[in-house]
Amino acid sequence: DAKTTQPPSMDCAEGRAANLPCNHSTISGNEYVYWYRQIHSQGPQYIIHGLKNNETNEMASLIITEDRKSSTLILPHATLRDTAVYYCIVRVDNYGQNFVFGPGTRLSVLP
Amino acid sequence: SQTIHQWPATLVQPVGSPLSLECTVEGTSNPNLYWYRQAAGRGLQLLFYSVGIGQISSEVPQNLSASRPQDRQFILSSKKLLLSDSGFYLCAWIGQIGNTIYFGEGSWLTVV
Repeated sequence: DAKTTQPPSMDCAEGRAANLPCNHSTISGNEYVYWYRQIHSQGPQYIIHGLKNNETNEMASLIITEDRKSSTLILPHATLRDTAVYYCIVRVDNYGQNFVFGPGTRLSVLP
Repeated sequence: SQTIHQWPATLVQPVGSPLSLECTVEGTSNPNLYWYRQAAGRGLQLLFYSVGIGQISSEVPQNLSASRPQDRQFILSSKKLLLSDSGFYLCAWIGQIGNTIYFGEGSWLTVV
């Protein structure tokens, strides 16, 4: 079973920031938070991951609370192409650990 | 650079017919390989994973099987398809660094 809880759906206006929350209250000290997204009829795409510090790359920012029990993925300027299902996953950063995907959040970016 | 390919991209098969989906990874060695399935409107379900040639672990009992005849080749098979086998099948791999999973383009299977 997935170790995360996400809202099933969210809307965001084009050009605005999309803030996608994820709860992972049982996260262990050596588990990372990963974010992937899946555009319809494609395989999931890696976005970002982090352990405890906030992370930023060209796609998004990841904000992890100090107690690590929740996190937020931020898409700073959402576009229509960001409409997708976003998955939050917690996992030990180890070669042998599988990725378990929950239902995710369906983000709809509206014009 | 590493790439992953799976085929066929789409197929329509009658109930009771066999199935073979193939997946290959290039640009890496000894990856962990995975087959996931996604039913319409549902999340991703892990079906099989493999840590090496001939080593297959099944996550759920089902009508499907997997094989890994070569280091970078992963095959999903069935002897007799069921209607419930319809879905979107995704092959994926994790490299030696182990911090990211990469997915193929996916294969749409419709069993009629």
